[in-house]
Amino acid sequence: EDKVVQSPLSLVVHEGDTVTLNCSYEVTNFRSLLWYKQEKKAPTFLFMLTSSGIEKKSGRLSSILDKKELFSILNITATQTGDSAVYLCAVEVRGGGNKLTFGTGTQLKVEL
Amino acid sequence: ETGVTQTPRHLVMGMTNKKSLKCEQHLGHNAMYWYKQSAKKPLELMFVYNFKEQTENNSVPSRFSPECPNSSHLFLHLHTLQPEDSALYLCASSQAGASTDTQYFGPGTRLTVL
Repeated sequence: EDKVVQSPLSLVVHEGDTVTLNCSYEVTNFRSLLWYKQEKKAPTFLFMLTSSGIEKKSGRLSSILDKKELFSILNITATQTGDSAVYLCAVEVRGGGNKLTFGTGTQLKVEL
Repeated sequence: ETGVTQTPRHLVMGMTNKKSLKCEQHLGHNAMYWYKQSAKKPLELMFVYNFKEQTENNSVPSRFSPECPNSSHLFLHLHTLQPEDSALYLCASSQAGASTDTQYFGPGTRLTVL
């Protein structure tokens, strides 16, 4: 059975801190790994990673994938209160009919 | 706004009621999905439709009945639900077969079953 595990489950930091969120997976026929940010309702897409070692970057957020060790990290630098959200990791498998398997998410709270 | 809308945003229903959730995507996608999000649990895929055809039913109880009349619209018909069905129901869409078929989510319907 495909499995996605995120850590930590929750995290409280102060504005300006740097955080690293982890996602490990065990799937057959890996195709891609995706990160989403969920603030109130709709998860919003952040990154899609398909190749090892290539960093994807968007502003203060970056992410990288390690297909040998089967994990990905999401980094957020200079955190702001607006970064407070649940960060979801999901994995898509080849031939899976667009099926995503999600982790439970990391709840991030950024305090002043 | 992600281009995926859902109505209603909140729904309270009794166990004997029948109601429907609606999802509409304005992105020209050809695949649509229903997910269930319960507290402290991962998002659970319920159904997948590709080109209006159901391609995935993730062992969902028959009290949930999906309908996809066209590639832009997806419904979830609910009847005789249980209190444990209370959750956030999210719809998503993607362009299946494209080089990147990222799923885009709607805002969800918060369902409470009394």
